[in-house]
Amino acid sequence: EADIYQTPRYLVIGTGKKITLECSQTMGHDKMYWYQQDPGMELHLIHYSYGVNSTEKGDLSSESTVSRIRTEHFPLTLESARPSHTSQYLCASSTIDSNQPQHFGDGTRLSIL
Amino acid sequence: SQQGEEDPQALSIQEGENATMNCSYKTSINNLQWYRQNSGRGLVHLILIRSNEREKHSGRLRVTLDTSKKSSSLLITASRAADTASYFCATDANNQGGKLIFGQGTELSVKP
Repeated sequence: EADIYQTPRYLVIGTGKKITLECSQTMGHDKMYWYQQDPGMELHLIHYSYGVNSTEKGDLSSESTVSRIRTEHFPLTLESARPSHTSQYLCASSTIDSNQPQHFGDGTRLSIL
Repeated sequence: SQQGEEDPQALSIQEGENATMNCSYKTSINNLQWYRQNSGRGLVHLILIRSNEREKHSGRLRVTLDTSKKSSSLLITASRAADTASYFCATDANNQGGKLIFGQGTELSVKP
């Protein structure tokens, strides 16, 4: 089993709040990713990082921001949550070898009221 | 546009039967990966097949890749109720720095 952890697992919160979703991995992976997934749908990449102090926007535009100050930690922040942000957010990590798979956390299911 | 498209979108079979899921993609790839997702959980990697490989096996799973048709299939033999999950293909397209593009998934239901 992969050692990648996301907290919280579920979050229900009101509009306008600042939210930080946590993601940590203990595998020493350089690459980390955030995906957004609506129920029954495909995953969309919203942010990725190739290492410390490296962050890039993914293919799906997102109002969230990320940081990568430590190798093992890749938090995602929403400064002012809106109902349109309601979704599941999945974090993943991998080695720099693209012929190795990504390892996923169990996700955070976010509901904005 | 989606790189990976899967069919069927949903599949319901009886325990013991085989399940086949298909994935098509549009651009040249470095590799193609299959993942499984149980309800409310993250994705679990099943098999990675490189562009120069045609077939790979892992236990009851068999994956084929046809780069000329830009398609792949995942076969689960002798299915079990515990195989009930969503299955996603993901492509690592050339020159994309290892980013994966996921298909919409096939929802498999195996009835006991």
